[in-house]
Amino acid sequence: QKEVEQNSGPLSVPEGAIASLNCTYSDRVSQSFFWYRQYSGKSPELIMSIYSNGDKEDGRFTAQLNKASQYVSLLIRDSQPSDSATYLCAVHNQAGTALIFGKGTTLSVSS
Amino acid sequence: NAGVTQTPKFQVLKTGQSMTLQCAQDMNHNSMYWYRQDPGMGLRLIYYSASEGTTDKGEVPNGYNVSRLNKREFSLRLESAAPSQTSVYFCASSEVGTGGAGAFFGQGTRLTVV
Repeated sequence: QKEVEQNSGPLSVPEGAIASLNCTYSDRVSQSFFWYRQYSGKSPELIMSIYSNGDKEDGRFTAQLNKASQYVSLLIRDSQPSDSATYLCAVHNQAGTALIFGKGTTLSVSS
Repeated sequence: NAGVTQTPKFQVLKTGQSMTLQCAQDMNHNSMYWYRQDPGMGLRLIYYSASEGTTDKGEVPNGYNVSRLNKREFSLRLESAAPSQTSVYFCASSEVGTGGAGAFFGQGTRLTVV
């Protein structure tokens, strides 16, 4: 079982809608969780980090963490066409020394 | 404010040739990483270095070697390139340990082995 799982998509939402991206992880002792955005042909860009159970909001982005369910999600409110990208979930390994990535979910926002 | 700098950005190799990908960061991070990204496979960890003088294998280390030259620099070497190593390679750096601020990536190296 891969350590970090994401639905590959594509996830298609209309402009102005809420996009919901999900991620599950297998290592119960993981403590740090991250969401990256990657535009086609570009490098991944860190957009959110979360370490505690609950929600963390930053502008139109909300990260949600549930350690008991080993589940991390990213909500994008008021989605814009410029949000169209691949979103990567990343989790620290048990030792906290390396980041393990999921395969990413492709989001398409139509105007 | 350079962040993470990788060289070269593009490279074409013939099967069996060798090359070294260079990476340097100016954020005083302890940890550095090399990933490869292939279509449909996401980012896969090749090697990482949690601190100067240490290196560890990731998910796909075969065919690669690394050197943590100092705190700033982490290089990836292909001794005998194979077509299966055609990929986009990313170097990244981060603070070590849990609670770190996440990794920051270089621009990537697009490598083609023919």
